[in-house]
Amino acid sequence: EAEVAQSPRYKITEKSQAVAFWCDPISGHATLYWYRQILGQGPELLVQFQDESVVDDSQLPKDRFSAERLKGVDSTLKIQPAELGDSAMYLCASSPRDSTDTQYFGPGTRLTVL
Amino acid sequence: AQKITQTQPGMFVQEKEAVTLDCTYDTSDPSYGLFWYKQPSSGEMIFLIYQGSYDQQNATEGRYSLNFQKARKSANLVISASQLGDSAMYFCAMREGDNRGNQFYFGTGTSLTVIP
Repeated sequence: EAEVAQSPRYKITEKSQAVAFWCDPISGHATLYWYRQILGQGPELLVQFQDESVVDDSQLPKDRFSAERLKGVDSTLKIQPAELGDSAMYLCASSPRDSTDTQYFGPGTRLTVL
Repeated sequence: AQKITQTQPGMFVQEKEAVTLDCTYDTSDPSYGLFWYKQPSSGEMIFLIYQGSYDQQNATEGRYSLNFQKARKSANLVISASQLGDSAMYFCAMREGDNRGNQFYFGTGTSLTVIP
């Protein structure tokens, strides 16, 4: 069964360092989402792509976060510089082009900023 | 206002019993979708069940059913015959509209513990 892949699964970094997360959606899925989930809370959308275009990045802290999906397939989320408050789970999800009836989530990247 | 409200931070249920997890939503869009996800301690979000705003009947998927009360804007998840493996966080979510570009809103979750 096709799955959303994410790497790394765990990342520990010091504040002010740069970190990057990678996501490979299910093959053929046009829509890709990046979420941040702080411990004890629900996921919060950071950015949504439709193919290579950003559909919604209103909640993305653009002074330090950036996201790209250059060829409309896999995607990278970057934080530079990382802050203590960025410690969270970063979830990637994808949906098929013709349906957003559900999102298929990857295993997530758990970030700890020291 | 919160788009999705889950008022039960934690719930306990005896194994083999049924349990209801509450969810209310807020939208003025006539077209929307409601979802429930399970998140075990491993962190992955697992899709459980979906209900469209125009669906006439409550959605069911195996031991999961969604008690959809449109006038009350509630979409409670019912898990029948609870199993130890059901212990996890459960999130209610909503997609407003029916276009591809609409985002999902998640609640704060309910932690379910199944007692042997």
